[in-house]
Amino acid sequence: DTEVTQTPKHLVMGMTNKKSLKCEQHMGHRAMYWYKQKAKKPPELMFVYSYEKLSINESVPSRFSPECPNSSLLNLHLHALQPEDSALYLCASSPLGLAGGTGELFFGEGSRLTVL
Amino acid sequence: RKEVEQDPGPFNVPEGATVAFNCTYSNSASQSFFWYRQDCRKEPKLLMSVYSSGNEDGRFTAQLNRASQYISLLIRDSKLSDSATYLCVANTGGFKTIFGAGTRLFVKA
Repeated sequence: DTEVTQTPKHLVMGMTNKKSLKCEQHMGHRAMYWYKQKAKKPPELMFVYSYEKLSINESVPSRFSPECPNSSLLNLHLHALQPEDSALYLCASSPLGLAGGTGELFFGEGSRLTVL
Repeated sequence: RKEVEQDPGPFNVPEGATVAFNCTYSNSASQSFFWYRQDCRKEPKLLMSVYSSGNEDGRFTAQLNRASQYISLLIRDSKLSDSATYLCVANTGGFKTIFGAGTRLFVKA
């Protein structure tokens, strides 16, 4: 069983909707991430939140916005998405933050998003 | 050139076979390396870290060659349950974690 919990597991939304994906980790990790994964492709990093600092992959469009209410929660707000945004959205955490990140990631089960 | 390159496969092997996956990385500043396993429509799960001295976990052996910028994973005595996609991962420090495209493995009875 994963200790990174994501909700919802499945989400279908229209292009004008506003929705949120939620992620919570219970391991005391100091870094949390959002990844996007299309079918038969590797995960692509979207955002990293660590020690109250947000790092953004500059290729991520502004219709995705992360929010970190505290060190164990990381939400992803979705607004005016496009059909090509349909994918598996994976939340992950890692035990080291700042320059100590090692790539040892613990993933949630993912939120499968379909944009109509 | 991709930063982390893997043979996409698929590898189709019988139960009990030994199978080896290879991976190369282009950034010589890469500091840490991992193999992840991903089942169909599931999340990636850390299989093992990879060290220069080589490391073994049961039927799985990982090797790193920094001079050649090459990583390998050997699976001995393959089981049906080993069928999955295996992702090679390199981290260059901080949060720059690069995933390879993955190698698909099918183990058949």
